[in-house]
Amino acid sequence: DAGVIQSPRHEVTEMGQEVTLRCKPISGHNSLFWYRQTMMRGLELLIYFNNNVPIDDSGMPEDRFSAKMPNASFSTLKIQPSEPRDSAVYFCASSFFAGGTYSNQPQHFGDGTRLSIL
Amino acid sequence: DAKTTQPNSMESNEEEPVHLPCNHSTISGTDYIHWYRQLPSQGPEYVIHGLTSNVNNRMASLAIAEDRKSSTLILHRATLRDAAVYYCILIVQGNTGKLIFGQGTTLQVKP
Repeated sequence: DAGVIQSPRHEVTEMGQEVTLRCKPISGHNSLFWYRQTMMRGLELLIYFNNNVPIDDSGMPEDRFSAKMPNASFSTLKIQPSEPRDSAVYFCASSFFAGGTYSNQPQHFGDGTRLSIL
Repeated sequence: DAKTTQPNSMESNEEEPVHLPCNHSTISGTDYIHWYRQLPSQGPEYVIHGLTSNVNNRMASLAIAEDRKSSTLILHRATLRDAAVYYCILIVQGNTGKLIFGQGTTLQVKP
């Protein structure tokens, strides 16, 4: 079975450019999460969706970051304009939420996008 | 969310059992205990989870103390591929899906 697919795997761009990261969740999963990992802050949740609707975006660092999920099989995380401090590995994860609680549902992660802003 | 405490690092020899401890003294009665691991240059990988009873799956076993204030992830025979950072995470009942990752335990496996 295909896992969570992220693209690109690596992105190097100059400060000020727009960056778009893409994620395809596991088929049948209805929840999608975007995380960021840096040496200083570790892994932190940015935003998550349930049934394509953003539920909690409290982790999004600032207005330069936006995320969309136009359908159940695709999500994007966009940074505009990008800054060097946005350099990190960005992970997408998906899960199946059957109602009631997330507390016993595992999340499945992609291999991440390594973003470098020069 | 309740806090967990793990050792920063541990070492093991290949083909020997490994016991990775996690303290969670402020756990509440409905918090689930989850373990994830992250191999180098990969995304986190779900390992196992439990509530009160010990749990086994193909990857590992989870032993939960009777008072639930601590738990232990058991790898029965460590392989070189098990070298990773292991995260113990508590998830509150009714949680919104947020995984809060601490620093985890870096496991080194020696041949």
